[in-house]
Amino acid sequence: SQKIEQNSEALNIQEGKTATLTCNYTNYSPAYLQWYRQDPGRGPVFLLLIRENEKEKRKERLKVTFDTTLKQSLFHITASQPADSATYLCALDEMKTSYDKVIFGPGTSLSVIP
Amino acid sequence: ETGVTQTPRHLVMGMTNKKSLKCEQHLGHNAMYWYKQSAKKPLELMFVYNFKEQTENNSVPSRFSPECPNSSHLFLHLHTLQPEDSALYLCASSQLGTEDTEAFFGQGTRLTVV
Repeated sequence: SQKIEQNSEALNIQEGKTATLTCNYTNYSPAYLQWYRQDPGRGPVFLLLIRENEKEKRKERLKVTFDTTLKQSLFHITASQPADSATYLCALDEMKTSYDKVIFGPGTSLSVIP
Repeated sequence: ETGVTQTPRHLVMGMTNKKSLKCEQHLGHNAMYWYKQSAKKPLELMFVYNFKEQTENNSVPSRFSPECPNSSHLFLHLHTLQPEDSALYLCASSQLGTEDTEAFFGQGTRLTVV
């Protein structure tokens, strides 16, 4: 079955720099890959979706890339701010015959230092 | 607010108690999910309901019993739980069969079993 790996170590960066988070999957390429943000004690919030035929997607300060050859997605936050501090989860679909099943990676904790 | 409401937000229960978690979605979605999130572990999918039919039971112990009376409501009935069941329980919904497949999560129920 599919396995998702994300940076296990917490990421600490200086305010204003670009944060880059990695998501790797081990098996088949999914039809799409999603990124979510989760704050402590709260449910994840959807940020971006990128499809298998898309190389890059942008939304404001966020950029996601998808490389099906490397089986990897990169998530970038440019001009990072302390308010960006959170855990970021990568998720992808595991298609079944009649429904989608979304599985999540373990997440990467990001701290943006003022 | 995400359009998915979970109650209660916090619950402390003894191992012999019976309690229920409730989830309601106001988004018109056709799929609902229960996830468990333990400390320092990835989100674990427990149950999937697609058009009110249970399509996934991810090897969850029978002390957890889901109920989906209609496409807007989802319950998780709990009985004779163990301390290791203490976790954040998250409900989510999504619209399957379209291009907008992102999951919308509730705020979660923080469950402590004593």
